[in-house]
Amino acid sequence: SQTIHQWPATLVQPVGSPLSLECTVEGTSNPNLYWYRQAAGRGLQLLFYSVGIGQISSEVPQNLSASRPQDRQFILSSKKLLLSDSGFYLCAWSLPPTGLNTEAFFGQGTRLTVV
Amino acid sequence: AQTVTQSQPEMSVQEAETVTLSCTYDTSESNYYLFWYKQPPSRQMILVIRQEAYKQQNATENRFSVNFQKAAKSFSLKISDSQLGDTAMYFCAFPFQGGSEKLVFGKGTKLTVNP
Repeated sequence: SQTIHQWPATLVQPVGSPLSLECTVEGTSNPNLYWYRQAAGRGLQLLFYSVGIGQISSEVPQNLSASRPQDRQFILSSKKLLLSDSGFYLCAWSLPPTGLNTEAFFGQGTRLTVV
Repeated sequence: AQTVTQSQPEMSVQEAETVTLSCTYDTSESNYYLFWYKQPPSRQMILVIRQEAYKQQNATENRFSVNFQKAAKSFSLKISDSQLGDTAMYFCAFPFQGGSEKLVFGKGTKLTVNP
């Protein structure tokens, strides 16, 4: 069966510090991978998605970047965090839309607080 | 524009009653899936129900059903016999294709089931 792991669960970082959130998927190959951010009381904002190794699409200009060094590994990074980067970050995966059935499976999320 | 709109930021319902959450979307695709996700206070995203656009029959999963109006691009979720455990954020999601393979979510509806 497929599983998705996301860590850490919570993180408190000072402004200006770097960030690295990691997400790995097991039990499937060549998944589509996604990073979402959910600000307090708001919906899901798609930050990045990837359809393959080294292929990253950015949805919004921001202080963050993403990388996919391996097929089932997706990393969200920042060189210098801003206060506005605080939020709840969710990693998700889906199968390529061979049948257009791109149901997404989510990790447990990371609550990031920038202080 | 590829958009998913949930026009009800918050709703409440009495236990055992029925509630309908609305969602509209914009697409030029002819064949696709639509999804409703639930995010309880634990923040874990859970798939509630999915609808295939080419199927005229509305999807049903126990107490959850959809009213899919393809021409109107409307995809509402009906929860019957509401339970306290249904209290959650509900997100409508649409996988935009056309080479982008993005899974885009609405801003969500916060549903509270009152005893």
